[in-house]
Amino acid sequence: GAVVSQHPSWVICKSGTSVKIECRSLDFQATTMFWYRQFPKQSLMLMATSNEGSKATYEQGVEKDKFLINHASLTLSTLTVTSAHPEDSSFYICSARADRANTEAFFGQGTRLTVV
Amino acid sequence: GESVGLHLPTLSVQEGDNSIINCAYSNSASDYFIWYKQESGKGPQFIIDIRSNMDKRQGQRVTVLLNKTVKHLSLQIAATQPGDSAVYFCAENNYGQNFVFGPGTRLSVLP
Repeated sequence: GAVVSQHPSWVICKSGTSVKIECRSLDFQATTMFWYRQFPKQSLMLMATSNEGSKATYEQGVEKDKFLINHASLTLSTLTVTSAHPEDSSFYICSARADRANTEAFFGQGTRLTVV
Repeated sequence: GESVGLHLPTLSVQEGDNSIINCAYSNSASDYFIWYKQESGKGPQFIIDIRSNMDKRQGQRVTVLLNKTVKHLSLQIAATQPGDSAVYFCAENNYGQNFVFGPGTRLSVLP
């Protein structure tokens, strides 16, 4: 299957700082990228959907000013957690899909964010 | 056995037995479904998919069954192995929109 690379795998940051997470599709062009958050022993919750070159669509309850998403190219999307707080500590996962039709979405390996 | 509570539902099976993991989906308009496997600390890994014009699809050691009448999806794993221990999620997709994930089931393979 196609490869989606997420970086970093694990990050620890101080409360009040910002953290950027990168999601890259390595061997295909991702028309659509998705960002999920997963708390321990829970399912994946969609945060936002981004299409290359346009603004991300955020799910209800997700603060767009706090979770900045940029999808500047067909192979790269970034999620920036601004002014992070301990409650933002979670496992963040991106996925990418090659086209808009019903096809498989490939997942990155996830980023564990710990805010201290 | 299977248990549901505050924690993730867990299915325990003996090594070599067949596993059946069930999922109820919510949207009758969903037309594409995927089963994912997630190991601890890792992102979900694609197992098998099925479109709504099918009711069964087979892969290597895995079979997915779709019952649109009752909005039910199941994943059958033949000859379960220790490496199959993980959390399994079903995901539904509606006309190319985002994927909605089920709550997940933890599969534990007993030696």
